[in-house]
Amino acid sequence: SQQGEEDPQALSIQEGENATMNCSYKTSINNLQWYRQNSGRGLVHLILIRSNEREKHSGRLRVTLDTSKKSSSLLITASRAADTASYFCATGSARQLTFGSGTQLTVLP
Amino acid sequence: DTAVSQTPKYLVTQMGNDKSIKCEQNLGHDTMYWYKQDSKKFLKIMFSYNNKELIINETVPNRFSPKSPDKAHLNLHINSLELGDSAVYFCASSQVRTGGYGYTFGSGTRLTVV
Repeated sequence: SQQGEEDPQALSIQEGENATMNCSYKTSINNLQWYRQNSGRGLVHLILIRSNEREKHSGRLRVTLDTSKKSSSLLITASRAADTASYFCATGSARQLTFGSGTQLTVLP
Repeated sequence: DTAVSQTPKYLVTQMGNDKSIKCEQNLGHDTMYWYKQDSKKFLKIMFSYNNKELIINETVPNRFSPKSPDKAHLNLHINSLELGDSAVYFCASSQVRTGGYGYTFGSGTRLTVV
């Protein structure tokens, strides 16, 4: 079974809007990662947030982590058409990353 | 230039055949992985391997076997292919020894069994 579950499964927004995706997980974690997958491509690592961090920024990405609720969110600000992709959260040990079910984000021009 | 490269990108084969997918990484990472992504985009880890230890997901049929000629390569052999093996297979690598958690993925091999 999947460790993480993303919500929503699909999200469609206009260019320039913000996109928020959520991830819930089941067990305690040391860190949580977010990945992007463009159509027909492999996953690309976006950002890692450690269990003792509550928020992290990287460019237009903002990730939050609430370990008490076992949830994380990924915010993409000022979205662009090139942000269209599937986004996955991942948890687990260094040698056994388990991925969520993914959110398909579509940014309309 | 590609950090993790897989070949072939597409593989169409008949049931019962044996096939291999090759993977190479030039990042100097110490650990390599194979993941299977189904049609609903669920990603499932199959193997985790460094030069000392192989971790096998217990749900993976023994028709699947990883083979590593050296630390930069982890090939996937599949015997007696079945229709249900159709999926996209991703190779990945990471540097575990120095605490790196981010995985670098290849671009995938789309396997279709007919």
